[in-house]
Amino acid sequence: DAKTTQPTSMDCAEGRAANLPCNHSTISGNEYVYWYRQIHSQGPQYIIHGLKNNETNEMASLIITEDRKSSTLILPHATLRDTAVYYCIVRVRTGANNLFFGTGTRLTVIP
Amino acid sequence: GAVVSQHPSWVICKSGTSVKIECRSLDFQATTMFWYRQFPKQSLMLMATSNEGSKATYEQGVEKDKFLINHASLTLSTLTVTSAHPEDSSFYICSAQANNNYGYTFGSGTRLTVV
Repeated sequence: DAKTTQPTSMDCAEGRAANLPCNHSTISGNEYVYWYRQIHSQGPQYIIHGLKNNETNEMASLIITEDRKSSTLILPHATLRDTAVYYCIVRVRTGANNLFFGTGTRLTVIP
Repeated sequence: GAVVSQHPSWVICKSGTSVKIECRSLDFQATTMFWYRQFPKQSLMLMATSNEGSKATYEQGVEKDKFLINHASLTLSTLTVTSAHPEDSSFYICSAQANNNYGYTFGSGTRLTVV
């Protein structure tokens, strides 16, 4: 699976949009971009995933660049409960292979 | 859908004893489950891949005789930490893949403290 690079930490004001970047310059054509987050002392939670088109769900939006070498997770209106470590993972969608977790980005939403 | 239940959520045990952690897929069948370990302020590290009806595959550096994995059914995998020591104190998390679009679903984790 391709390696990803994320900033170690970010702050965001409550109510503002949180934009979390991820670089995955070695991504392969069949690899998807997945985002998970982990709130303190809980298991990771799925947020969103995409291949090359931008995606949106009730939690977030995922913007993938045209060359697919980077992406941005957008939380449109951050709340205090969004404070967590956010992991960007790239992997093929099929097959029972594990998820490789990098160091992620620690997002702190500030009141 | 795609719920993974992990039990217990926390456990304290004495050094030298064994502890069993259960991971259940509640509304789907999982032929493969994964066990991760997470130390404070670190990321998740894969320990082993649990395969239903066959032996688990362990990552390099993980002692298979110390971390016993049993995956006897399509909805249950167990991790037993044998002869636990304080250095085994960690947050253990399981995951499984449902046959949907959401990648992997994770359990809520088990905080193990060995005293």
